[in-house]
Amino acid sequence: RKEVEQDPGPFNVPEGATVAFNCTYSNSASQSFFWYRQDCRKEPKLLMSVYSSGNEDGRFTAQLNRASQYISLLIRDSKLSDSATYLCVVKEPSGYALNFGKGTSLLVTP
Amino acid sequence: EAGVTQFPSHSVIEKGQTVTLRCDPISGHDNLYWYRRVMGKEIKFLLHFVKESKQDESGMPNNRFLAERTGGTYSTLKVQPAELEDSGVYFCASSPQRSNEQFFGPGTRLTVL
Repeated sequence: RKEVEQDPGPFNVPEGATVAFNCTYSNSASQSFFWYRQDCRKEPKLLMSVYSSGNEDGRFTAQLNRASQYISLLIRDSKLSDSATYLCVVKEPSGYALNFGKGTSLLVTP
Repeated sequence: EAGVTQFPSHSVIEKGQTVTLRCDPISGHDNLYWYRRVMGKEIKFLLHFVKESKQDESGMPNNRFLAERTGGTYSTLKVQPAELEDSGVYFCASSPQRSNEQFFGPGTRLTVL
């Protein structure tokens, strides 16, 4: 069973649309959760951390459901520049290693 | 401030050869990590240094891989001898002490023929 599972997509949405990505994680002891963004052939970059109470950063909202071991990312008012792969990431509870999902591909079209 | 740098950006070698990848972390970052993404799979953790010490090498696939971080600055990852399944993108990341955020380098794309 994979540590982190995501719907690979692709998600094709028009500009201005709202899109949601989900992921599940297997280790119930996990404490730290993140969304990273990766552009084509580039390195992953931290988009936002995910907190238990949910958190928002501009057009981006992240939610965590510990009981279901489920993490989500909502993007409102999509921009062309949001086109990328979004990686759900969970830190190992016992160390610093990051466990990555395979990523969800988003394409925002004019 | 300069980010994490990696060298080379691409490497094409033949099966059985040796390749050494280099990573220069962000200045002052004690934590240095190596990750790998093979085609079609997710990014996987290889190992973690704190300064010059290996803190966690649970992700190293086998003894053909050797990582070093002499002096606690830059790190090298040597693959000897390389096999076809070693092809992929090798990412290095660094972070300051007690920080959750890891900053990734651009990666080295390794192709073993």
